[in-house]
Amino acid sequence: NAGVTQTPKFRILKIGQSMTLQCAQDMNHNYMYWYRQDPGMGLKLIYYSVGAGITDKGEVPNGYNVSRSTTEDFPLRLELAAPSQTSVYFCASNLTPTEPYNSPLHFGNGTRLTVT
Amino acid sequence: QQQVKQSPQSLIVQKGGISIINCAYENTAFDYFPWYQQFPGKGPALLIAIRPDVSEKKEGRFTISFNKSAKQFSLHIMDSQPGDSATYFCAASRDDKIIFGKGTRLHILP
Repeated sequence: NAGVTQTPKFRILKIGQSMTLQCAQDMNHNYMYWYRQDPGMGLKLIYYSVGAGITDKGEVPNGYNVSRSTTEDFPLRLELAAPSQTSVYFCASNLTPTEPYNSPLHFGNGTRLTVT
Repeated sequence: QQQVKQSPQSLIVQKGGISIINCAYENTAFDYFPWYQQFPGKGPALLIAIRPDVSEKKEGRFTISFNKSAKQFSLHIMDSQPGDSATYFCAASRDDKIIFGKGTRLHILP
């Protein structure tokens, strides 16, 4: 199993450009999440999904969009990139958060995004 | 309240020493308290976790101490090694809501 795979690893965007961060998991997990990590600020939840076709906002959703057409994939879309979106983005998944001891969060290795 | 407060922000420990990271939470509804370990260039990975109905959990050199009445929990790393140098996040969760602390950057001196 590859676990949670994120692409690309690095990206530099100009202000106003758009891009999609890809996330795929092969563990048949129902729940998927997007976090951003800024230095000294921990992990902030952007969006999450409880299953195919269902998404919901997290703590910091502004400027982002997501879709979940399949169980495996959960792409994150930035439409008009801004310098404030410079961050490291992590995708994560788990089977069911109501049983965390049997279903911990699995994270990808992140996408480092710089907007200039 | 949904915050999880983590301290210190950074920590330097000599090889063989004990590393201690502390966290405090506010919402008594949380029922799962994990610690995640993150190496540079990698995503966080679950290190150890505890339920609120036990006061301590030990896995090898890593121990969580949990104080329910004080709403505090801590990670102790015994015999700290240079390979333990990483960022550590505490978290508190219930169902699909998980709140992370801001992280502690630990450096173990060789």
